[in-house]
Amino acid sequence: AQKITQTQPGMFVQEKEAVTLDCTYDTSDPSYGLFWYKQPSSGEMIFLIYQGSYDQQNATEGRYSLNFQKARKSANLVISASQLGDSAMYFCAMREGMYTGNQFYFGTGTSLTVIP
Amino acid sequence: ETGVTQTPRHLVMGMTNKKSLKCEQHLGHNAMYWYKQSAKKPLELMFVYNFKEQTENNSVPSRFSPECPNSSHLFLHLHTLQPEDSALYLCASSQVTSGSRDEQYFGPGTRLTVT
Repeated sequence: AQKITQTQPGMFVQEKEAVTLDCTYDTSDPSYGLFWYKQPSSGEMIFLIYQGSYDQQNATEGRYSLNFQKARKSANLVISASQLGDSAMYFCAMREGMYTGNQFYFGTGTSLTVIP
Repeated sequence: ETGVTQTPRHLVMGMTNKKSLKCEQHLGHNAMYWYKQSAKKPLELMFVYNFKEQTENNSVPSRFSPECPNSSHLFLHLHTLQPEDSALYLCASSQVTSGSRDEQYFGPGTRLTVT
């Protein structure tokens, strides 16, 4: 079974609007970390936001917020006030366990296009 | 240089060639990773080095050979590759700690084409 599932291969959003990118995960480990990365056409993966499984609050980093629903095992990324520079691939990832050297699992990604 | 650098950025090689990919991190991290990114597939973890010791080898074919001479440098030696090995190869580093947050920082990748 896939550890990380991203069901939206492609998304479009109007500039200045908000957009939600979906991510569901599968783990039986009570300790895990969830990550979102952005990959522009240049290829470099850029870390955006982190949510720990024991964190009580949803993570926020500037225009990025993570809608963490533990019971549903979902960790959706919300981008507010979209900008043209937000057009990129977005990957959800998970690290199982408390040991920070454990393997990361990545989803297949969502391609976001911001329309002027 | 800052962050994670990778050279070369693009590489075209024949199936009988031998080449090496280089990764260098300037972040003081103690773990480094090689990933393979193919179209329409999730990133595949190939190798992990924690504190310079290899801790993960996810059944990668022996035609890929990693080398980690120190905590800042990581190499991927390539020989007798197949066309299906054409992909973007990403290097990453992270700081392994006793806490739970350990985001990985990625380099720009090497676009490899095997002819």
